[in-house]
Amino acid sequence: EVQLVESGGGLVQPGGSLRLSCAASGFTFSSCKFHWVRQAPGKGLEWVAYIDTSGNTIYYADSVKGRFTISRDSAKNSLYLQVTSLRAEDTAVYYCARECGEVYNFDLWGQGTLVTVSS
Amino acid sequence: QSALTQPASVSGSPGQSISISCTGTSSDVGGYDYVSWYQQHPGKAPKLMIYDVSKRPSGVSNRFSGSKSGNTASLTVSGLQAEDEADYYCCSWAGSRFYVFGFGTKVTVV
Repeated sequence: EVQLVESGGGLVQPGGSLRLSCAASGFTFSSCKFHWVRQAPGKGLEWVAYIDTSGNTIYYADSVKGRFTISRDSAKNSLYLQVTSLRAEDTAVYYCARECGEVYNFDLWGQGTLVTVSS
Repeated sequence: QSALTQPASVSGSPGQSISISCTGTSSDVGGYDYVSWYQQHPGKAPKLMIYDVSKRPSGVSNRFSGSKSGNTASLTVSGLQAEDEADYYCCSWAGSRFYVFGFGTKVTVV
């Protein structure tokens, strides 16, 4: 089955860190670029980070630059997001999303993992 | 990143057609033909419904169509069905800002 499955979310105190994971299956992981997109409770979607097929080209939204790190491991068919210096406003469901080929859309999403930043 | 402007809610009766607008700027919607639309049911992941302004992925009903004029894109749902009740988000490639999403529109089938 073609799918993305996120994990690693949880409750963390302000200033804390987490490592989110996204396991891919059913397709050629190395051929696709990936993104993290988040959604605060009751709010809209916000693009967070991008990584290309090689892992050499990476971009971040200004709101997370310097605090979040995206990476990938093709041997494990997995995408990661290291989130540090967390703030209350980082509370959200974090989705990984796939972009395969020379396209500008996200054709496959995971079910999301919830990160709650609270003391 | 500034979000794209969408109406907060749109409603229609079964069988009717509705349209959702998505307004940006010449730096995003107006500058590229890379507008996509996503449907999200409560508690579920978003689903790609339209890409490249007006293209439908395999498996998406032809009741969904997209268009663009200037800095405004639109999603039209024809023959509205109960299962279409969901939140809809537009998204545009924005060059150096990468991707920007709309605030979202809640579609209600009354």
